[in-house]
Amino acid sequence: EPEVTQTPSHQVTQMGQEVILRCVPISNHLYFYWYRQILGQKVEFLVSFYNNEISEKSEIFDDQFSVERPDGSNFTLKIRSTKLEDSAMYFCASKALNSPLHFGNGTRLTVT
Amino acid sequence: GNSVTQMEGPVTLSEEAFLTINCTYTATGYPSLFWYVQYPGEGLQLLLKATKADDKGSNKGFEATYRKETTSFHLEKGSVQVSDSAVYFCALRYQAGTALIFGKGTTLSVSS
Repeated sequence: EPEVTQTPSHQVTQMGQEVILRCVPISNHLYFYWYRQILGQKVEFLVSFYNNEISEKSEIFDDQFSVERPDGSNFTLKIRSTKLEDSAMYFCASKALNSPLHFGNGTRLTVT
Repeated sequence: GNSVTQMEGPVTLSEEAFLTINCTYTATGYPSLFWYVQYPGEGLQLLLKATKADDKGSNKGFEATYRKETTSFHLEKGSVQVSDSAVYFCALRYQAGTALIFGKGTTLSVSS
């Protein structure tokens, strides 16, 4: 069964550094999402992406965050200048029209 | 605003016990409701869903009924197995095409 893959599984970075989290969605999917979960907290929506543009974003997704689909297969989340509070598990998800969301296994980001 | 509240975990049960995980929601209009499950080391997977009042979603012995009058979508299973040990997330989508809103998740641990 096709699946969403995320790399790396764990990323450690220093405060103020830029990080890029990578995702390969399922190949025929058209809608792409990033969610995050701070330890012990809710799974929070960050952004959705369709037709090469952001279709919806939450208050969390400020100017420090950006998404890109650079080559038609990858879907990346960039955090320009990481803060301690960005430490969380980041989940990528994708879906086709009228299908459920398929999630990746997540990338654990630790900011020190 | 739209939100989901789940019972606090962890829930610890013996094999073959009855399971209930409570979920209530606040939403404008008539949302679709979902239960997702996350097994250790894996991403979130859709377990079941219901799209309108009084619908019952079911899968793998789990059931949940969309109760508009009590704004609830409690997850139940008559006889849990060790393999059901996972984190369970209740979620809603308040409008087609919008992002899922998740609860905090409830950890279930089943022992033999």
